[in-house]
Amino acid sequence: GAGVSQSPSNKVTEKGKDVELRCDPISGHTALYWYRQSLGQGLEFLIYFQGNSAPDKSGLPSDRFSAERTGGSVSTLTIQRTQQEDSAVYLCASSFSSYEQYFGPGTRLTVT
Amino acid sequence: RKEVEQDPGPFNVPEGATVAFNCTYSNSASQSFFWYRQDCRKEPKLLMSVYSSGNEDGRFTAQLNRASQYISLLIRDSKLSDSATYLCAVNTGNQFYFGTGTSLTVIP
Repeated sequence: GAGVSQSPSNKVTEKGKDVELRCDPISGHTALYWYRQSLGQGLEFLIYFQGNSAPDKSGLPSDRFSAERTGGSVSTLTIQRTQQEDSAVYLCASSFSSYEQYFGPGTRLTVT
Repeated sequence: RKEVEQDPGPFNVPEGATVAFNCTYSNSASQSFFWYRQDCRKEPKLLMSVYSSGNEDGRFTAQLNRASQYISLLIRDSKLSDSATYLCAVNTGNQFYFGTGTSLTVIP
């Protein structure tokens, strides 16, 4: 079946511009997570959506980062006024409750 | 204290060797446990879930020790294709916590 999909796969943007990253989770998965991973580093949790509950935003590094999940499915991560330190791979994952997570292929963001 | 701690390695082993990775977790209320494999510049892929009684999938064996709060992954008869980073993951209250990953290189 279809896995988690993310778009775009690569994004190059100039410092100060806004970017939107999209995630399509596996159909029926109630939970959706955003992480970022810098080169050679571990996964950094950003935000978590579970059903209709308020999202857990505790991992967002600054107020330039926001995310929403519409209709309990597709999610968009928005980074405003991008900085060079925002360059990383942004990974989305979905799961059914506390069962295993499945990751999308990620969006590689480069801020020049 | 980190939720999940993992030895980053690297582990460099010859083909055919047996290698084991451990991961400790801090929250005794953690509910479910997983091992992921991540190849260079790729997303993590689920390798196996870890069950209380331990479980095996071919050359891979996963164990959970709730008393000591650690999970382990054993790889027997290592293949060149096993070279990757192995991440442990722990689910606590629907939140997932990942280790930083252990790098494995299998040498011909």
